[in-house]
Amino acid sequence: KAGVTQTPRYLIKTRGQQVTLSCSPISGHRSVSWYQQTPGQGLQFLFEYFSETQRNKGNFPGRFSGRQFSNSRSEMNVSTLELGDSALYLCASRGTTYNEQFFGPGTRLTVL
Amino acid sequence: KQEVTQIPAALSVPEGENLVLNCSFTDSAIYNLQWFRQDPGKGLTSLLLIQSSQREQTSGRLNASLDKSSGRSTLYIAASQPGDSATYLCALNRFGNEKLTFGTGTRLTIIP
Repeated sequence: KAGVTQTPRYLIKTRGQQVTLSCSPISGHRSVSWYQQTPGQGLQFLFEYFSETQRNKGNFPGRFSGRQFSNSRSEMNVSTLELGDSALYLCASRGTTYNEQFFGPGTRLTVL
Repeated sequence: KQEVTQIPAALSVPEGENLVLNCSFTDSAIYNLQWFRQDPGKGLTSLLLIQSSQREQTSGRLNASLDKSSGRSTLYIAASQPGDSATYLCALNRFGNEKLTFGTGTRLTIIP
C-alpha cells in the first residue's frame, strides 16, 4: 500500500507570492490533516479535512487555506507569503484502525 | 490547553544500551497517544499508538507505556543501535478531534 505522498518536495518562493501544496492520503483514508513545522514553534496544527469538509482549524491567519477533493486528495494554499512562512509542511492521513495517523515526507517551503 | 513536554531535549547513549524517553502531558482527557520518529529534514514515521484504554504497546525493540493519571508516557528502546538516532516525538489527541498536539521532541544520538 502506498504511503502518504506530498508534492512538491521543495519550493522556493519570494515574499508576496502564493503557493499551493498537494497531499495524497493513503488509499481508503478520508481524513487529511496539515501541520507546519518550524525550529522555533515545533509542529503546529493547521487544519483537518474529512469528506471534503474542514472539521478543525488551528490558530493560523486566513492566508492559510485548504480544501479536499472527492478522491480525498487535499491541497493547502498560502497567499501573500511572508518570510516566517518558511517551514516544513506535513500532511497526515488517518487510518480507520485505531485512528492512527500517517505522515507524508513533507514539503520544504523557503520564502526569500 | 494541552501542553506536552519531552525531557531531555537531547540524549546521547552508547550503542547497545537500553533507554527510556519521557513524555508528559497536562490534560488526561486524551484519546490516543502516538510516538513518532523523525530523521533530519524528513517526515514523521509512526512507531506506536496507545489508545486511552490501553497501558502499553510493543513493537520489536520498542515498548510504549501510558499512565493517564500521572500524565506520562514513556518509550523504551532496547538494545539501541546507531540507526535509532533520530528525533522522537510524542503526540496526542482528544476524542472526536484529529488534531495532534505534539511534544517538544527528544533528539537521540546512539554512539557506535
